[in-house]
Amino acid sequence: DAKTTQPNSMESNEEEPVHLPCNHSTISGTDYIHWYRQLPSQGPEYVIHGLTSNVNNRMASLAIAEDRKSSTLILHRATLRDAAVYYCILRRNSGNTPLVFGKGTRLSVIA
Amino acid sequence: EPEVTQTPSHQVTQMGQEVILRCVPISNHLYFYWYRQILGQKVEFLVSFYNNEISEKSEIFDDQFSVERPDGSNFTLKIRSTKLEDSAMYFCASRGQGQANTGELFFGEGSRLTVL
Repeated sequence: DAKTTQPNSMESNEEEPVHLPCNHSTISGTDYIHWYRQLPSQGPEYVIHGLTSNVNNRMASLAIAEDRKSSTLILHRATLRDAAVYYCILRRNSGNTPLVFGKGTRLSVIA
Repeated sequence: EPEVTQTPSHQVTQMGQEVILRCVPISNHLYFYWYRQILGQKVEFLVSFYNNEISEKSEIFDDQFSVERPDGSNFTLKIRSTKLEDSAMYFCASRGQGQANTGELFFGEGSRLTVL
């Protein structure tokens, strides 16, 4: 799987938007961009995914650069419950390819 | 909301003992996975399973590990002879048929294995 680069940690104030960046300069044309998060003492949890167009769901928005070499996960209004490690993962469009997790970004939310 | 359930939540075992970790994936899912996470480290892929056979496995998944779907609901991970370095949180995940490469993986809460 193509490699992604994320900041080790970020901090946000509660009720403010958070933009979590991810660089994936070696992305291939069939790689989907997935975001998962892991709350403390829990298993990973799906957040959102996309291919080329920006995506929105109830949890977050995903903004994908036009050249697809970077993307940004946007939490519109951070809550204390959003404190977690956020993983940006590229997953190749072939067969039963597993998700391969990196170190992710540890997001702290300050009340 | 359907969920992946794992048992036991925590198991303590002596080095060299066999351990079986159990998972009940979401009922209509067809793709199954095991991951592990050593304390303070990243989540590591172990094995994927589909149509009653292993699809892919990592180099961590050596001959000491095996997976099985003994009936229509359970998916198990067996460690034949545990080592100290097998101490970790083990996560089971499953995925529905849908779009094979974009479908969401649902993870369980994990089984913590402590090898003494």
